[in-house]
Amino acid sequence: DAGITQSPRHKVTETGTPVTLRCHQTENHRYMYWYRQDPGHGLRLIHYSYGVKDTDKGEVSDGYSVSRSKTEDFLLTLESATSSQTSVYFCAISARQGPQETQYFGPGTRLLVL
Amino acid sequence: GQQVMQIPQYQHVQEGEDFTTYCNSSTTLSNIQWYKQRPGGHPVFLIQLVKSGEVKKQKRLTFQFGEAKKNSSLHITATQTTDVGTYFCAGPYNNNDMRFGAGTRLTVKP
Repeated sequence: DAGITQSPRHKVTETGTPVTLRCHQTENHRYMYWYRQDPGHGLRLIHYSYGVKDTDKGEVSDGYSVSRSKTEDFLLTLESATSSQTSVYFCAISARQGPQETQYFGPGTRLLVL
Repeated sequence: GQQVMQIPQYQHVQEGEDFTTYCNSSTTLSNIQWYKQRPGGHPVFLIQLVKSGEVKKQKRLTFQFGEAKKNSSLHITATQTTDVGTYFCAGPYNNNDMRFGAGTRLTVKP
């Protein structure tokens, strides 16, 4: 599992409230990613990080912000949650094994916005 | 933007039948990756294809990368109940932006 944990694993919140999801890794990987998974859409990249304080937007970044103050932690924040942000959120790291660069995913966080 | 299309969306087979899922990119890919996600689980990396026309096998799974590096397929021979899950293809866009297909959900009837 590449030492990736996510917290919380489940969250129910109300529209308009702020929510922060945490991704923690123990293997000092440089690249970290946040995806959301929705039926019919597969996985869509929200934001990614290529180092401490270095982040960039993905395909569906509107309404989300991220921070990475330490190598091991990558935080995803919904400043004001909306029902459209109800989803399963996966964190991932990128690791190189020989010629292959693969992504390893955390267990996911199920978020329900009422 | 880059699109990665995957068909079919669902496939239901009898145990022992073969299964194929197809992936097509709107742009040429430097590589393509395949992942499997069991129900309630997280995506797990299966394989990466890099070369034009490349074919790789993992036991009953055969992966192909098209000559133009825009399409790929995953074929499972003689499916088993352990093959149940959703299979995703993914290709890199701007190096670090991985675009995933919508996935093919495979169910297997014993």
